[in-house]
Amino acid sequence: DIQMTQSPSSLSASVGDRVTITCRADQNINTYFNWYQQKPGRAPKLLIYAASRLQSGVPSRFSGGGSGTHFTLTISNLQPEDFATYYCQETYSAPWTFGQGTKVEIK
Amino acid sequence: QVQLVQSGAEVKKPGASVKVSCTASGYTFNNYMHWVRQAPGEGFEWMGIINPSGGSTSYAQKFQGRVSITTDTSTSTMYMELSRLRSEDTAVYYCARMAGGYCSGTTCSRGYFDSWGQGTLVTVSS
Repeated sequence: DIQMTQSPSSLSASVGDRVTITCRADQNINTYFNWYQQKPGRAPKLLIYAASRLQSGVPSRFSGGGSGTHFTLTISNLQPEDFATYYCQETYSAPWTFGQGTKVEIK
Repeated sequence: QVQLVQSGAEVKKPGASVKVSCTASGYTFNNYMHWVRQAPGEGFEWMGIINPSGGSTSYAQKFQGRVSITTDTSTSTMYMELSRLRSEDTAVYYCARMAGGYCSGTTCSRGYFDSWGQGTLVTVSS
């Protein structure tokens, strides 16, 4: 199975900050890679697919980048509704594994 | 709009089975569908995939022999049955619709989960 390692596991930030979350795969996964946001007690929500494509309806302050083994999610101008846990996912080969999550908390 | 509605919470004893449903609406029920679970305070674990058009399935090796995913296209409903439950199976179970993938049979890549059910908590306790 492909291992996905997210960092950091948590971070504290203020409204208006720019934050970057990193996810690394232990093998080349091209751009078969997605980012999700999850709020407590809720189902995940797709933010970014194919590493850098913004899902319809997702604010443009979210952006994704990377390919191969190294990927990033950047949130510019952090908003109160962005405090949540973010997960990466590879879809290169089954089982489609997820990272362990990055919790973004209010400083 | 696309909606996936799951059945309600379940409490089961070890060794029992559970069957969770996921009813789709707002689109033609022909996207590949997945089940993913999340143990309390943990990350996500992919369980399996089904092609509603034909019913072919593929399961994560970890669940082989214990999980069965089926669909009823007449009601746009997918089911996940997990047998021989143990305490470690306590989790929220999610159904998800796959978009954008490239599939050969049920071997898919490049996809993403663009819609999720609300989740079903399954508690396994004696």
